[in-house]
Amino acid sequence: QQQVKQSPQSLIVQKGGISIINCAYENTAFDYFPWYQQFPGKGPALLIAIRPDVSEKKEGRFTISFNKSAKQFSLHIMDSQPGDSATYFCAAHSQNRDDKIIFGKGTRLHILP
Amino acid sequence: DAGVIQSPRHEVTEMGQEVTLRCKPISGHNSLFWYRQTMMRGLELLIYFNNNVPIDDSGMPEDRFSAKMPNASFSTLKIQPSEPRDSAVYFCASSFSAGSDTQYFGPGTRLTVL
Repeated sequence: QQQVKQSPQSLIVQKGGISIINCAYENTAFDYFPWYQQFPGKGPALLIAIRPDVSEKKEGRFTISFNKSAKQFSLHIMDSQPGDSATYFCAAHSQNRDDKIIFGKGTRLHILP
Repeated sequence: DAGVIQSPRHEVTEMGQEVTLRCKPISGHNSLFWYRQTMMRGLELLIYFNNNVPIDDSGMPEDRFSAKMPNASFSTLKIQPSEPRDSAVYFCASSFSAGSDTQYFGPGTRLTVL
């Protein structure tokens, strides 16, 4: 119940296309859903996050869509650029319980120039 | 702020040797996390501390692994004896609290056990 399932494991997208990464969770106590971005040789860094009181959050070319009833959320990267090539991790945790963050397995995204 | 500092950045050792990884969290952060990243398993949480106290070590793979946080500004992860399957990138991260919005990751230590 603590797992966050992420797909796909890897993704190749043409420059200018839309990259979509999906995640699903089981624990309804989760109330915070961040996405982390990791470039080769670096640690993960927070990219964008959403709370379940909204269905969508957009920051520039990055959008999180959240479906509370389905317990799913996804990251959309519009107009994907080669510089977006990285590994993306979805995550979830319950801030009220001060629990640890649960990370998905990650998606390796490669944007073709 | 210098961010989370980890040392060494790279470590190559032989099987059976003791390995100690070090981490300095961001000043003022009360929670510290140790992760291991491999291609096969992704990002695994090994252990985390709140206010220097270990809270959850269920991710520590076996007794060969141990972690300490003697004070708010320093933590170590020790592997003794090391084995080739321990080869991975080890990350340290810190946050204001375990349930905080953001974890800040260090640059990682790439460990190779021959």
